Amino acid sequence: GQNIDQPTEMTATEGAIVQINCTYQTSGFNGLFWYQQHAGEAPTFLSYNVLDGLEEKGRFSSFLSRSKGYSYLLLKELQMKDSASYLCATPDSWGKFQFGAGTQVVVTP
Amino acid sequence: EPEVTQTPSHQVTQMGQEVILRCVPISNHLYFYWYRQILGQKVEFLVSFYNNEISEKSEIFDDQFSVERPDGSNFTLKIRSTKLEDSAMYFCASCQTADYEQYFGPGTRLTVT
Repeated sequence: GQNIDQPTEMTATEGAIVQINCTYQTSGFNGLFWYQQHAGEAPTFLSYNVLDGLEEKGRFSSFLSRSKGYSYLLLKELQMKDSASYLCATPDSWGKFQFGAGTQVVVTP
Repeated sequence: EPEVTQTPSHQVTQMGQEVILRCVPISNHLYFYWYRQILGQKVEFLVSFYNNEISEKSEIFDDQFSVERPDGSNFTLKIRSTKLEDSAMYFCASCQTADYEQYFGPGTRLTVT
């Protein structure tokens, strides 16, 4: 089975950095994904790690440690539009995604 | 950029009625999925579909649910007799390979009264 944990909510000010942690337990590993979801909208893909280390994509970076079952998503230079839920997810070998409950990031002026 | 589309965007139905939710996945994708998200809760997997058959389904996907790919482009989710607890946002997703990025459609909000 799969189990994914992430904090429920985080608040940060515009221009700051926020780090969202995710711990997971899976029977097999097929990568760790981060999605962004604005209220009432579909999840949109942000980042993907399959090997240990840091993946950087503009203002967003994601880190993975497979031995620790741990990932984080780093959001830099926060903007108001970054207020959203951030979902950590892992697929099984058929691509079935198990999502975490999501971390609601609130960006304040 | 290609995208997954879903219709309708919002469906209201009475308890016990049948509904069909429609999706058009990205054309060269081979794996198709349905997920649902009850308001305020996490995204939950319902079913995966590959090579014209179900490859995996969750406990939620009971005999009231079925999926079909009737014509090589559409991918449908049917709920035979809706219950109040079926009220949720239903997302279709597709991808080229099973262990890579899934593209989500905009969702259908199903309200069962």
